[in-house]
Amino acid sequence: DTEVTQTPKHLVMGMTNKKSLKCEQHMGHRAMYWYKQKAKKPPELMFVYSYEKLSINESVPSRFSPECPNSSLLNLHLHALQPEDSALYLCASREDRGRAYEQYFGPGTRLTVT
Amino acid sequence: GQSLEQPSEVTAVEGAIVQINCTYQTSGFYGLSWYQQHDGGAPTFLSYNALDGLEETGRFSSFLSRSDSYGYLLLQELQMKDSASYFCAVLISSGSARQLTFGSGTQLTVLP
Repeated sequence: DTEVTQTPKHLVMGMTNKKSLKCEQHMGHRAMYWYKQKAKKPPELMFVYSYEKLSINESVPSRFSPECPNSSLLNLHLHALQPEDSALYLCASREDRGRAYEQYFGPGTRLTVT
Repeated sequence: GQSLEQPSEVTAVEGAIVQINCTYQTSGFYGLSWYQQHDGGAPTFLSYNALDGLEETGRFSSFLSRSDSYGYLLLQELQMKDSASYFCAVLISSGSARQLTFGSGTQLTVLP
């Protein structure tokens, strides 16, 4: 299984809503990532979890709250988002340090904030 | 911080060869990766160079010159399905983790 799955595929939420994005992988990868991607732009790193511990937070606003309940799951909790947060949210995972350059991306959740 | 530069668009015809260049400025550099992303799809890994020289994977090759902070992706025998965005990405060390920082992407259009 070389797949990263993400749910939901699409999400529309109001600025007062609370929602969560979910990511799952069963490749035994111990590093997992959240990226944000706007149209025609590159993926921007948001968070990195390494062995279920948050190791990088790229100065992301607190309205985004990541969680890594176990080595296979990664969540991104959303609260009080702004319209400019509308984007494709990508989850990725990778093997140990030896192949840190090769990340496996999920299909993403397309988020629209109204 | 890091900065990467690559052309925004490249157009070529089927069967041709195209080269996508990438220059970078960064600290804590480990290597240069290349990713492909079709419209509406997820980025997928293509190639990685940690050392100077050429790496070949089928129709795709990637080159790195660490002294020049420069690399390129070479696509041969272009096919229509190669139309996509191509991102170079530097692998850097950040604290206890290694992370990729992506360039702005090159939109490749392959014409019949």
